[in-house]
Amino acid sequence: GENVEQHPSTLSVQEGDSAVIKCTYSDSASNYFPWYKQELGKRPQLIIDIRSNVGEKKDQRIAVTLNKTAKHFSLHITETQPEDSAVYFCAASISSTGNQFYFGTGTSLTVIP
Amino acid sequence: SAVISQKPSRDICQRGTSLTIQCQVDSQVTMMFWYRQQPGQSLTLIATANQGSEATYESGFVIDKFPISRPNLTFSTLTVSNMSPEDSSIYLCSVRTGAGQPQHFGDGTRLSIL
Repeated sequence: GENVEQHPSTLSVQEGDSAVIKCTYSDSASNYFPWYKQELGKRPQLIIDIRSNVGEKKDQRIAVTLNKTAKHFSLHITETQPEDSAVYFCAASISSTGNQFYFGTGTSLTVIP
Repeated sequence: SAVISQKPSRDICQRGTSLTIQCQVDSQVTMMFWYRQQPGQSLTLIATANQGSEATYESGFVIDKFPISRPNLTFSTLTVSNMSPEDSSIYLCSVRTGAGQPQHFGDGTRLSIL
């Protein structure tokens, strides 16, 4: 089955700096890649997603890039703010078969004021 | 996105007992899932709840330990049976409205077993 690796496991940045989280996947059939943010004690919430027919997607300070050839995708957060502090999970799935989301191990991001 | 209500939000249970967690969605959804999340860990899929048929369990999870019901397209339950301290975790339900759509999660049930 699919294997998703996520790096780094922890990340600290100064407020206003950028943060980058990287994920790799093993199954070339994967074609849907969501990112989730989970604040302490809260549910994971979808923040952005990308499909394999797109190389980059942006939503305000958040962007995701996808390199299908290398089988990796990255989350970029610019102008970080303290409220960006959370655990971020990447995931991969094969949308045509529907079900299984394969989650990365998570990155704990701390934004230092 | 769908509004997902999960209850109880937390519980403390005695060893050997069972607890049923409910997941209610405000609209019909194609897929419902149950996850376990250990403290500081990622999300582990327990099973896919299939409407009108037996759930599909992932490796390491069995029906006798985690029976699941899904009587309709808006409701599912997960029972954690014969609990032991190793079952202490957060249990989350999630839904997808269709293939190629994201999953959305409930608030989770924080379960502690004494």
